Amino acid sequence: GAVVSQHPSWVICKSGTSVKIECRSLDFQATTMFWYRQFPKQSLMLMATSNEGSKATYEQGVEKDKFLINHASLTLSTLTVTSAHPEDSSFYICSARWGLAGGSTSYEQYFGPGTRLTVT
Amino acid sequence: QKEVEQNSGPLSVPEGAIASLNCTYSDRGSQSFFWYRQYSGKSPELIMSIYSNGDKEDGRFTAQLNKASQYVSLLIRDSQPSDSATYLCAVRLYNFNKFYFGSGTKLNVKP
Repeated sequence: GAVVSQHPSWVICKSGTSVKIECRSLDFQATTMFWYRQFPKQSLMLMATSNEGSKATYEQGVEKDKFLINHASLTLSTLTVTSAHPEDSSFYICSARWGLAGGSTSYEQYFGPGTRLTVT
Repeated sequence: QKEVEQNSGPLSVPEGAIASLNCTYSDRGSQSFFWYRQYSGKSPELIMSIYSNGDKEDGRFTAQLNKASQYVSLLIRDSQPSDSATYLCAVRLYNFNKFYFGSGTKLNVKP
């Protein structure tokens, strides 16, 4: 259980274009999803937290107009990197935490396999 | 001061030995604690979660929590070369959605 998928697993795009990354919880409802970025040999950096049906909460220093997050359903969140530049090249990882309509929630985060973005 | 501190390592242990990984955190309001394993080029995988003081065992893994000392550790018994990875400590603050990750400790288990 608690499987999270991401698509695509890797993507190469040209500078100035936009890229959309999907994160899906396959066998549970994810009331909260998190988006992280990880540069080589560095730790995870939380970019934003998204709750289903509401606006994402961005961490300090993360441009919300550049990294658009949509959490339209309990199983899907998307991250769109707009007008990508080479410095946006990184490993983007989502995680999800399950929750039930009655209010029960797990504190554990389950990570997707990640998306490696290369901007040329 | 970082919210979660870990020694970056590498920590090298021989196969079959016990590997001890340590983590300290700064906020006394921290309530939940997690250990993740991350292989190079892969995303983190949840190993253990611990919520109360004491030890929690799961197979070869034991998590230890001491809230008074703001310290959480992970012991890996009978270490295997396949355990070689970076281990991330994560802490959830009283704010339900706020998690902090340490920078990770790289473990090398030598055959």
